[in-house]
Amino acid sequence: QKEVEQNSGPLSVPEGAIASLNCTYSDRGSQSFFWYRQYSGKSPELIMFIYSNGDKEDGRFTAQLNKASQYVSLLIRDSQPSDSATYLCAVNPDGSARQLTFGSGTQLTVLP
Amino acid sequence: GAVVSQHPSRVICKSGTSVKIECRSLDFQATTMFWYRQFPKQSLMLMATSNEGSKATYEQGVEKDKFLINHASLTLSTLTVTSAHPEDSSFYICSARSGSWEEKLFFGSGTQLSVL
Repeated sequence: QKEVEQNSGPLSVPEGAIASLNCTYSDRGSQSFFWYRQYSGKSPELIMFIYSNGDKEDGRFTAQLNKASQYVSLLIRDSQPSDSATYLCAVNPDGSARQLTFGSGTQLTVLP
Repeated sequence: GAVVSQHPSRVICKSGTSVKIECRSLDFQATTMFWYRQFPKQSLMLMATSNEGSKATYEQGVEKDKFLINHASLTLSTLTVTSAHPEDSSFYICSARSGSWEEKLFFGSGTQLSVL
């Protein structure tokens, strides 16, 4: 059983729309949650992290965490074609581990 | 964010040769670095955890004698793919943990290895 699940997509949204990316995790004791963006042929780039229930906003990005539902999401407002990439959800399983568990990623395409 | 430098970015080699990949943390000290492998359209697979001054911890199924890891200093870890074969062709990425309690990982730019 996968520990971190993401819809692989592809997810297509028109330019200017809100893109919603979802992630669920199996370990209820997970402490911290991360969203990485990966362009084709490049390494992942950290764009958001969240530790507490609720919303966290950074520019056009909003991360939402619901620990009771074991669910974390990423919203991208005013989507741009440059946002087209694979988005990886990553979870720190027990808060003390030094490694992250990654989901398989969701491929997002923003159509001009 | 913290900067992690990885070299080379691309390697093409013949089967049977060894390839060394370097990973450096440029503006912070990393007691722990991680090595991942990523096949096309798949997610990151953790290969091993590299600890400064001690032996690396390998994930199940990863051959430690084939993927040699040396973490000789707080800013440098190396991965050597020994006797590479075509099935070792992949995108190899290192990462380092920055900060104390925040557990954020920053990634190197990756190395595309192609074994002929």
